Amino acid sequence: NAGVTQTPKFQVLKTGQSMTLQCAQDMNHNSMYWYRQDPGMGLRLIYYSASEGTTDKGEVPNGYNVSRLNKREFSLRLESAAPSQTSVYFCASSRRPRDTEAFFGQGTRLTVV
Amino acid sequence: QKEVEQDPGPLSVPEGAIVSLNCTYSNSAFQYFMWYRQYSRKGPELLMYTYSSGNKEDGRFTAQVDKSSKYISLFIRDSQPSDSATYLCAMSGDYGQNFVFGPGTRLSVLP
Repeated sequence: NAGVTQTPKFQVLKTGQSMTLQCAQDMNHNSMYWYRQDPGMGLRLIYYSASEGTTDKGEVPNGYNVSRLNKREFSLRLESAAPSQTSVYFCASSRRPRDTEAFFGQGTRLTVV
Repeated sequence: QKEVEQDPGPLSVPEGAIVSLNCTYSNSAFQYFMWYRQYSRKGPELLMYTYSSGNKEDGRFTAQVDKSSKYISLFIRDSQPSDSATYLCAMSGDYGQNFVFGPGTRLSVLP
């Protein structure tokens, strides 16, 4: 039982490059989330998917797009990376929206130079 | 003013000490209060949650919520070096709010 799996774990991008962060969960959860974590800022919600087929903006969506590919997979795309997007990105899932327990992946450390 | 505030630390205590970690918040609609623990270079994991005001105990951990003061606490008794981590508070409401996380407090328990 892997839980929430994120790929890649590390990535360095040049300004303007694009990339997609992948996330998959094997817990049959309905809701999935993408957060970014920056020093002193806590976890900030980028986008979420309350259920398969829906996506909504979170607190900091600018510069990102998401796709809920199926119930298991939720990807985050940076179309034109900027240094301000240097961060640690976490994918999470929960049984239902705003459930008290969210399960997090190991994170993707992204550096944009 | 941030919606959830938390002293970032770092907080260093000797093994066996009682640790108090705190968060304050501004949104009176919050009803669910969670504490997550995050080890270095790992994702957060849920430690405890409480609904509305009151206390909840789980082993060496006690969570307290004072909604009148908009203040929540996590107490760790007989702290161990394995408790060294960053502790994040999180909260949400009944009516559609997603979780809001505090910035986290980094705790070091020294042997």
